[in-house]
Amino acid sequence: QQQVKQSPQSLIVQKGGISIINCAYENTAFDYFPWYQQFPGKGPALLIAIRPDVSEKKEGRFTISFNKSAKQFSLHIMDSQPGDSATYFCAASIGGGADGLTFGKGTHLIIQP
Amino acid sequence: DGGITQSPKYLFRKEGQNVTLSCEQNLNHDAMYWYRQDPGQGLRLIYYSQIVNDFQKGDIAEGYSVSREKKESFPLTVTSAQKNPTAFYLCASSMGAGTQYFGPGTRLLVL
Repeated sequence: QQQVKQSPQSLIVQKGGISIINCAYENTAFDYFPWYQQFPGKGPALLIAIRPDVSEKKEGRFTISFNKSAKQFSLHIMDSQPGDSATYFCAASIGGGADGLTFGKGTHLIIQP
Repeated sequence: DGGITQSPKYLFRKEGQNVTLSCEQNLNHDAMYWYRQDPGQGLRLIYYSQIVNDFQKGDIAEGYSVSREKKESFPLTVTSAQKNPTAFYLCASSMGAGTQYFGPGTRLLVL
């Protein structure tokens, strides 16, 4: 049973464009939704996270949009740059992640110069 | 430098052999986690520990064992019962609820 579904599996965006990655969850008890960025051969690093009491959170070029009624959340990368090329994972958890995170399967993002 | 270290970077396992992956953190975090990453599968939780001398099974604990004798250390043993151990293993830590910080990972290969 996959509790967090992520799409698309891969994405190619032109430099300067907007990259959009979507996730949907099933468990309404989830209360913490982080996004991680991973480069090949490295561990994931936290990009941005949101809790369900807000509908949007922005940090620099990265924005999370959250739709609690639809049980969906998305990552927007504005002015995408070649250095943003990486694999992105959404995740969800109960209790802020103390009992571990449930991850989506990842999106391989390529930003073309 | 504060952070999480994992060793070795690459590990080779023979048939029937148990191997142990090391994870150490100097962030003074209470909670530590082990995840397994397979291509196209995301990360899946193996075990986690919220306090010394206590740990819980995650979603895919079969064939693995852990210990938490010190706050800084959370080693993972891949036993011979794990029939498909080839994967990228990631250790993480956190203060409990909130951001999990990941180590650089150990890639386990079967000979």
